[in-house]
Amino acid sequence: DIQMTQSPSSLSASIGDRVTITCRASQNIRSYLNWYQQKPGKAPRLLIYAASTVQSGVPSRFSGSGSGTDYTLTISSLQPEDFATYYCHHSSTTPEAFGPGTKVEI
Amino acid sequence: EVQLVQSGAEMKNPGESLKISCKTSGYIFSNYWIGWVRQMPGKGLEWMGIISPPGSDARYGPSFDGQVTISVDKSVNTAYLQWSSLKASDTAMYYCARSGDFIRYFDFWGQGTLVTVSS
Repeated sequence: DIQMTQSPSSLSASIGDRVTITCRASQNIRSYLNWYQQKPGKAPRLLIYAASTVQSGVPSRFSGSGSGTDYTLTISSLQPEDFATYYCHHSSTTPEAFGPGTKVEI
Repeated sequence: EVQLVQSGAEMKNPGESLKISCKTSGYIFSNYWIGWVRQMPGKGLEWMGIISPPGSDARYGPSFDGQVTISVDKSVNTAYLQWSSLKASDTAMYYCARSGDFIRYFDFWGQGTLVTVSS
């Protein structure tokens, strides 16, 4: 089974900062990599799918990149509503798996 | 409007059975898979499994295979997650979510069902 790791596990940032979160798979997942945002008490929200396609309605400050085993989520200019936990998710094969999450805090 | 509406919170004793539901609307049920995701208190998301719209193909994560059953009822556009014998460690929030077939990602989510198992 493919294992997912994320780094960092948490980070502190300020409004306007550029934030980068990294996700690594234990084997090549051929860009079948998705990113979600979750706020406390809420269901996750899809941000990016297939490594770099921004979901409809998601602000353009969110972007994704990567290939093979290494992927990145970038927030170009952090906004107050972006403080949340971010998860990567591979859907290359079943069983699929989520990364452990990255908490973005002030 | 695509909606996934889950059944309400449950409080159960260890050893009891449970079936929770995820009623979908606003899209063609047969065109999308449905997945289930667990979130234990204060923890991250765990992929439990996914089922094809006809219900003929269900796949499970290694921690959940043999522990839960995922099913669908096409006649009412609803997916289900069930346990035959709950444990205290099943206490968690459970989410259903819609997924594409060829390129899988969870684009719409239910609101979550909180399951509490305690004696």
